[in-house]
Amino acid sequence: AQSVTQLDSHVSVSEGTPVLLRCNYSSSYSPSLFWYVQHPNKGLQLLLKYTSAATLVKGINGFEAEFKKSETSFHLTKPSAHMSDAAEYFCVVDGAGNMLTFGGGTRLMVKP
Amino acid sequence: DGGITQSPKYLFRKEGQNVTLSCEQNLNHDAMYWYRQDPGQGLRLIYYSQIVNDFQKGDIAEGYSVSREKKESFPLTVTSAQKNPTAFYLCASSPGRLNTEAFFGQGTRLTVV
Repeated sequence: AQSVTQLDSHVSVSEGTPVLLRCNYSSSYSPSLFWYVQHPNKGLQLLLKYTSAATLVKGINGFEAEFKKSETSFHLTKPSAHMSDAAEYFCVVDGAGNMLTFGGGTRLMVKP
Repeated sequence: DGGITQSPKYLFRKEGQNVTLSCEQNLNHDAMYWYRQDPGQGLRLIYYSQIVNDFQKGDIAEGYSVSREKKESFPLTVTSAQKNPTAFYLCASSPGRLNTEAFFGQGTRLTVV
């Protein structure tokens, strides 16, 4: 069994300040982990993925995430938020057989 | 261009009617998925298929049906048995191997009127 918990349903930051979106997971297997972004009424776009290589993963648009096995976490960060980062973000775990389990999502709001 | 295409983008249905949502991919992916998205609830898996002519129920399959007659196509029918069908539906595909990401279509917003 596997599950994903996104600890914040909403995060609000000011433009130019750091972003932290938190994700904890559980999995019976060595998981692959993903972060996706969704803009309103759009599909999901892959930001980055962890697949048991380097624990610090760099993605698109300046985002990165660190896999911490001891904490079962995969938090998403960005040093400086941009207005265009406002969207919904999903943490996803793939524990076995390509069955993706989604977190509940975090809506990121960026204030000017 | 390679990708995954959902149609239509918006769909309106009268109560009691069946409606079919289209999903086509030209990525040569083995696995395809249907998710339902409601506000504040993330994505929930309806059905998935890992190979042609085979599919399995996801977490919320009741009131839905699918077919997988071709590798490229995985249509979803929302039947009149689905009590609350108004939602955003997302189709995805993946190569079907471990450690590979899924690719998503742009979604279909279904509204029951």
